Amino acid sequence: DQQVKQNSPSLSVQEGRISILNCDYTNSMFDYFLWYKKYPAEGPTFLISISSIKDKNEDGRFTVFLNKSAKHLSLHIVPSQPGDSAVYFCAASARGQGGSEKLVFGKGMKLTVNP
Amino acid sequence: KAGVTQTPRYLIKTRGQQVTLSCSPISGHRSVSWYQQTPGQGLQFLFEYFSETQRNKGNFPGRFSGRQFSNSRSEMNVSTLELGDSALYLCASRYEWDEQYFGPGTRLTVT
Repeated sequence: DQQVKQNSPSLSVQEGRISILNCDYTNSMFDYFLWYKKYPAEGPTFLISISSIKDKNEDGRFTVFLNKSAKHLSLHIVPSQPGDSAVYFCAASARGQGGSEKLVFGKGMKLTVNP
Repeated sequence: KAGVTQTPRYLIKTRGQQVTLSCSPISGHRSVSWYQQTPGQGLQFLFEYFSETQRNKGNFPGRFSGRQFSNSRSEMNVSTLELGDSALYLCASRYEWDEQYFGPGTRLTVT
């Protein structure tokens, strides 16, 4: 039972254009969402997060949108740069009692930004 | 501030053996979580430790265990290794309600 889904395995965009990465979730208890970027042979690097009390969060070129009713979030990268080429993971958690956090990840999507 | 470090980076073991992986969190971070990444299952949560206590656990068999020391460093152990345990094992640390920051991982190959 895949609770976090990234349905597109890959995306290719031109440098300078917008990259839109999508993510769907099924568990209504999820209240915190994150995006991580991963290069080969490295651990995931945190990009941006959003709490379920918000519908948008921005950090520089990165914006995350959350649509709770559709159980959908998306990451917008504007403008896209060749250095953004990596695998992007969507993750979600239901921040539980006592401060514990178990991240549930999507399968990832490979973004390629062409010069 | 130094990031999360994991040792060793690469490991080759044979079926039936056991293995211990080590993780040093970012200074000041008391929460340490472990994840397994495989091509088929993706990134899956193993367990989380805080102040030397396991406070969350994923759906993995009892062969997978861990512990945390008073300096927040953590180890995970896998006993009776199986071929399917070949994976990238990632450690992440967190300060209170901040995001989890990952180490580079340990690539375990079981032959």
